[in-house]
Amino acid sequence: QQQVKQSPQSLIVQKGGISIINCAYENTAFDYFPWYQQFPGKGPALLIAIRPDVSEKKEGRFTISFNKSAKQFSLHIMDSQPGDSATYFCAASKNSGGYQKVTFGTGTKLQVIP
Amino acid sequence: DSGVTQTPKHLITATGQRVTLRCSPRSGDLSVYWYQQSLDQGLQFLIQYYNGEERAKGNILERFSAQQFPDLHSELNLSSLELGDSALYFCASSAWASAQETQYFGPGTRLLVL
Repeated sequence: QQQVKQSPQSLIVQKGGISIINCAYENTAFDYFPWYQQFPGKGPALLIAIRPDVSEKKEGRFTISFNKSAKQFSLHIMDSQPGDSATYFCAASKNSGGYQKVTFGTGTKLQVIP
Repeated sequence: DSGVTQTPKHLITATGQRVTLRCSPRSGDLSVYWYQQSLDQGLQFLIQYYNGEERAKGNILERFSAQQFPDLHSELNLSSLELGDSALYFCASSAWASAQETQYFGPGTRLLVL
């Protein structure tokens, strides 16, 4: 069962543009929503994360927008750069018996063209 | 560099064979997670160990098993390999801060079953 739906599957953005990746979840028990960035040949790395009691979190050019009632959250990359070209995974997790059960989205391959 | 190491980096084997993937967590991290990443399935959680004990199981096949040793390194054993087992296998170790667990991923082992 796909509990975290991510779109689009791929995205091409001009340098300087805004990249937007959307995710939707089903389980209201999720209490933490991280985004991971993965470069080719590397493992995913935590980029930014948000808790459901906050509607927006910004770190540099990266912003998470969170809509609890709609069960949706999105990643916005402002002033996108070629170095941002990577695969981005949204995730949702809940504390389950002392460990975080993390469910990942299927990923979005972002290409930023000069 | 996340501090998590995985060996080998690449592995090519034949159907029916058995392989062992190794993971060393970051210094001080007690938890190790194993994930499978394939093109069409995204990141799938397989299993988690905490301080030597199995804590959670995800979509792990019966042909697969794992263990965590007293020095906290972990091994994932894949047996009776099938073509469909070809994938990237990641391990992650985790740390808690501000009541939140963050997972740090290793560089992965790319398995090709011929």
